[in-house]
Order: sequence, then C-alpha cells, then structure tokens
Amino acid sequence: DVKVTQSSRYLVKRTGEKVFLECVQDMDHENMFWYRQDPGLGLRLIYFSYDVKMKEKGDIPEGYSVSREKKERFSLILESASTNQTSMYLCASSSTEINEKLFFGSGTQLSVL
Amino acid sequence: AQKITQTQPGMFVQEKEAVTLDCTYDTSDPSYGLFWYKQPSSGEMIFLIYQGSYDQQNATEGRYSLNFQKARKSANLVISASQLGDSAMYFCAMREGYTGGFKTIFGAGTRLFVKA
Repeated sequence: DVKVTQSSRYLVKRTGEKVFLECVQDMDHENMFWYRQDPGLGLRLIYFSYDVKMKEKGDIPEGYSVSREKKERFSLILESASTNQTSMYLCASSSTEINEKLFFGSGTQLSVL
Repeated sequence: AQKITQTQPGMFVQEKEAVTLDCTYDTSDPSYGLFWYKQPSSGEMIFLIYQGSYDQQNATEGRYSLNFQKARKSANLVISASQLGDSAMYFCAMREGYTGGFKTIFGAGTRLFVKA
C-alpha cells in the first residue's frame, strides 16, 4: 500500500522556535508538495519540489523554507514560528505524469503559542 | 498566474438529487490537468475525477462527472443522485505540465451538505 507519512499528527510550539515538519513517501515519486489548510482558504501551496535538491516557491512561501536531500523525504522548516503559522499542514507526492493524482499524508496540526 | 476559484463556500442538496459544484481556473500553460478531491470530516483527501486539457470528452467516474468548458475555463463537478455520505468539503485543483514543474494548486473549497 502506497504511503505518505508525516512525522507528527499534532505539534505545539512556542513563538520564535524553529520547527521541522517531515514528510516521507515510499512511491519513488519525483514531485513533493507542502500545503497549509485553513478554513475558508482551502489548501495553499507553500513549496514544491520536482527533484532531489530542487525546490520551487508556491503561493505563500514567506516564513518557510524546505529541504529535499533525498528523493523520499521533503522537509518543511519554519525558521521562527509565529502564531499566524498555526494551521494544518499537508504533505503530498506524485509522479511526473500530469494525470497522476496527489497522494496525501494524514496532516500535521501545528499550534504556535 | 495560475489560479483556481470556487465561488460557493457552501451548498445544500436534497438526497437523491443532482448538484453542481463550480470551479473556474486560469493558467497560461497549454498542458494542464484538472482534479476534484473530496475531504470528509475525517480529513483524508479522496481523489474523485480527472480531466486533461486536451481531452475532448468530459470525464465521468460513477456518479461523478466533470463539465469541462475549456473556452470558459471552467471545470464544474456534477454529482448525480446525492447520498448522505457525499456531505464533505470538495476541492478543485489544477496541475500544470512539465514547463510548470507540475505545480498543483487548489481552490478554497465548497462544503456540501446533503439533506435527508
């Protein structure tokens, strides 16, 4: 069974902390994505990657960075967490076939206090 | 710039009736794909249907069909014979082709309520 695994289901952090959200996929997918989901705003793309060590900004990259050192792992980093980064974070992966659906992780609910 | 718009924050439909969820999009990439996903209260994202930009026929998957009007840049989801289990959030998504790095964006979603 294909899997996208996010390291934590719930996280509580303090303002100013550095936060790492990890995502691992076992499908040998080239593409990986980080979204945040907020009520009324849907899923907004933060960053995506189409290859190892390659990254592209999405629509809301400010305050975030990413790392993809290995094909199966895509990390989202909040350099200095702020309360407005409290959200549900979803990782997804897919192949480079345009008709391929996204495979999603179960999400990480991050609360920044 | 790439954009997806879902203008219906919430919709009600009577059980066994059909419902249309609206989606419009904008892209400069000639090659793109359009997707619909369902997100029930459990939070999982369930893929429903796909339509390619070069597809001539509207996509269908069981009770789901996609009304694709390329010139109007719309990709509405039609659910026939609604069931109580269809109550969920529905997201329209667009994926650009190779030149866009397969970037995939989503709309704000429509919450569907099915009434018994």
